Amino acid sequence: NAGVTQTPKFQVLKTGQSMTLQCAQDMNHNSMYWYRQDPGMGLRLIYYSASEGTTDKGEVPNGYNVSRLNKREFSLRLESAAPSQTSVYFCASSVTDPYEQYFGPGTRLTVT
Amino acid sequence: QQQVKQSPQSLIVQKGGISIINCAYENTAFDYFPWYQQFPGKGPALLIAIRPDVSEKKEGRFTISFNKSAKQFSLHIMDSQPGDSATYFCAAPHPFGNEKLTFGTGTRLTIIP
Repeated sequence: NAGVTQTPKFQVLKTGQSMTLQCAQDMNHNSMYWYRQDPGMGLRLIYYSASEGTTDKGEVPNGYNVSRLNKREFSLRLESAAPSQTSVYFCASSVTDPYEQYFGPGTRLTVT
Repeated sequence: QQQVKQSPQSLIVQKGGISIINCAYENTAFDYFPWYQQFPGKGPALLIAIRPDVSEKKEGRFTISFNKSAKQFSLHIMDSQPGDSATYFCAAPHPFGNEKLTFGTGTRLTIIP
């Protein structure tokens, strides 16, 4: 079991560029989440998906879109990157207990 | 919007001492309060959680204490070790449930020899 995997590990973008962060889990979990982590701000929820085919906004969704491609995969897209989106992005998943979440290793994104 | 206030922001404890991190919440749909531990360069991992039909839960050197009337809960690490040096996050369920957690801002714990 690889658990939750994320690609890429690191990425540098210029302002206005677009990119997609990939996340996959092999634990047959129903729910998946995208968070961003910034110094002094903790983990803030961007989007989540309670099941395949459904997505919902979290605390900080502006500037992001998501796709729940299937039960395993949940991608996060930045259409036009801004310096304010410089952050570490974590994907997580959970099974029947939504409060026990399993996190991936993160993607460190820098927007210049 | 749920807020979870966590303190202190950073904490330095001598090896063998007790580390204490506190959190306060506003409202929650369910009484379930997890703590996550994060090492540098890694994702957070669930450390311990309490479902307060009890006011305290202990797992090894880690203890959660919960005060429902005060809407506060805390993590105690007994006999703190250098390997405990990490960032700790408390969390609380969103007031409307919906399978969401609200995280505290984190505490960077450093255990010195």
